Amino acid sequence: DQQVKQNSPSLSVQEGRISILNCDYTNSMFDYFLWYKKYPAEGPTFLISISSIKDKNEDGRFTVFLNKSAKHLSLHIVPSQPGDSAVYFCAAIPTSYGKLTFGQGTILTVHP
Amino acid sequence: GAGVSQSPRYKVAKRGRDVALRCDSISGHVTLYWYRQTLGQGSEVLTYSQSDAQRDKSGRPSGRFSAERPERSVSTLKIQRTEQGDSAVYLCASSLIGGNPYNEQFFGPGTRLTVL
Repeated sequence: DQQVKQNSPSLSVQEGRISILNCDYTNSMFDYFLWYKKYPAEGPTFLISISSIKDKNEDGRFTVFLNKSAKHLSLHIVPSQPGDSAVYFCAAIPTSYGKLTFGQGTILTVHP
Repeated sequence: GAGVSQSPRYKVAKRGRDVALRCDSISGHVTLYWYRQTLGQGSEVLTYSQSDAQRDKSGRPSGRFSAERPERSVSTLKIQRTEQGDSAVYLCASSLIGGNPYNEQFFGPGTRLTVL
């Protein structure tokens, strides 16, 4: 039973355009959400997060949107750069319990 | 750098054998987590430990997985009687304070286990 799902295994975008990565969750106990970025042969690194009391959090080129009623979050990267090419994982956590549940990941490729 | 490291990076084991995977966390971090990431299926937490607890709290119902913490910044994940379904990437993560998601978890590069 996958509680966090990323239904798009891959996404290809042109440099300078917007990348939108999507994530759905089923567990209503999740109230904190994170995006991680992973390069080959490296561990995931934290990118951006959002608490369930917000619906948007922005950090430079990265914005995460949360739709609690739909149990959906998305990561927007604007403008996309070739260095953004990586695997992106969304993760969720109930604040009372520190363990992350990750989605399957989406491979983002940004073409020059 | 002083990040999280894991060894070995790759491990091949025959079905039924026991394996041990090592994680060296960041000095001063309190909580250590072990996650299992299966291709195309996301990840699940296997176990975690806080502070100096030598025996980790297992997040899985199966008794085949356990973790020990012989030193504050070292954890060893032990998988007994490996099964082919255990083939996955095992990620170790540490955080300064456990249980609080605002304390970022730092991940190691992972160990890719293949069970034949």
